[in-house]
Amino acid sequence: QVQLVQSGAEVKKPGASVKVSCRASQYTFTFWDINWVRQATGQGPEWMGWMNPKSGNTGYAQKFQGRLTMTRDTSISTAYMELSSLRPEDTAIYYCARAAGHCSGGTCYYYGFDVWGQGTTVTVSS
Amino acid sequence: DIQMTQSPSSVSASVGDRVTITCRASQGISTWLAWYQQKPGKAPKYLIYRASSLQSGVPSRFSGSGSGTDFTLTISNLQPEDFASYYCQQTSTSPFTFGGGTKVEI
Repeated sequence: QVQLVQSGAEVKKPGASVKVSCRASQYTFTFWDINWVRQATGQGPEWMGWMNPKSGNTGYAQKFQGRLTMTRDTSISTAYMELSSLRPEDTAIYYCARAAGHCSGGTCYYYGFDVWGQGTTVTVSS
Repeated sequence: DIQMTQSPSSVSASVGDRVTITCRASQGISTWLAWYQQKPGKAPKYLIYRASSLQSGVPSRFSGSGSGTDFTLTISNLQPEDFASYYCQQTSTSPFTFGGGTKVEI
């Protein structure tokens, strides 16, 4: 079935970087944008940014500008999210998610996120 | 950024009940709203898009309504598997913000 499979849990020291992978299967990877969402314990989800796997174009939430990088390898249908200068408040579960939507007249519209990865726990602690 | 405010933050209900959750946007978003269900230890599950369209495979006891700034998610005839947290998300304008969530408890 259509799925996104993420890499395993990470433990990092403050100031380090983390890179999480998200492999797509059973659909054409380049057809839908991949978004990243994180969720701290007991909190609501927090949207981080999007990437178009075909073009590599990205858009990041202002909060993460300068620390967040999204990339992809289309040959293996895998998206990556790298967050640098980690601090304890970055401790959370990180999810990749496929965006459902359509494009018209050069503008793309999201309906929501219809397929999610299983989540990757990132713990930042000294 | 558009702020999404959900109420209540939690609700106690019984099997068979009808539950209504409200989501309010800080500015108009037309019908660019999605709803998700999340169970402990799991990723969110996509329930409704464009405020009122049911995602394929989602039971018809779930329904959504609203436009502009005020939206509702209604669960009719609550089932044991519906006890979970529910989140709204606006998809009108980046950043695509989520509400704080509503926990439906027994």
